[in-house]
Amino acid sequence: GENVEQHPSTLSVQEGDSAVIKCTYSDSASNYFPWYKQELGKGPQLIIDIRSNVGEKKDQRIAVTLNKTAKHFSLHITETQPEDSAVYFCAASITFEKLTFGTGTRLTIIP
Amino acid sequence: DADVTQTPRNRITKTGKRIMLECSQTKGHDRMYWYRQDPGLGLRLIYYSFDVKDINKGEISDGYSVSRQAQAKFSLSLESAIPNQTALYFCATSDDLTGRQETQYFGPGTRLLVL
Repeated sequence: GENVEQHPSTLSVQEGDSAVIKCTYSDSASNYFPWYKQELGKGPQLIIDIRSNVGEKKDQRIAVTLNKTAKHFSLHITETQPEDSAVYFCAASITFEKLTFGTGTRLTIIP
Repeated sequence: DADVTQTPRNRITKTGKRIMLECSQTKGHDRMYWYRQDPGLGLRLIYYSFDVKDINKGEISDGYSVSRQAQAKFSLSLESAIPNQTALYFCATSDDLTGRQETQYFGPGTRLLVL
């Protein structure tokens, strides 16, 4: 089955700087890659996703890149703000199949 | 997401007890999931159901069972709870539109402590 590795497990950045979280996946058939944000005391929420037919997707300060050849994808957050502090999860799946999640990254934005 | 509710939100139980965690959704989604979250291990899938008549084991189903009572309800049971089942449990739902893997919507979680 699919295996998703996520790094780093913790990340601290100064407010206003950029943050990058990286994930690798094992199943070359995977074609859907979402990112979820989990705030304290809440369930994860989707923030952005990408499908294998594109290499990059951007939504305001958040972007995701995908390298199918290397089987890795990354989340980029620019101009970080205190409200970006949370745990972020990457995931991978084949269409119509279940998601496999990474182990999470705790991002702390330092004021 | 208020459309996915979980009860109870917190539960303390003793080793050997049977407990049930309940999940209800008003999104009209066919697919429902139960995950377990442990520090450093992320979200691991326990069971999932793609419709009322479909139940599938996830990667860590041992010690758990589920019931899909209706499209909107999916319950997780621990037949005989043990301390290493202490964790945060999430229910999630998703739609299944042709050609697309849709977003999963998570409930607020149930924090379970097994003594």
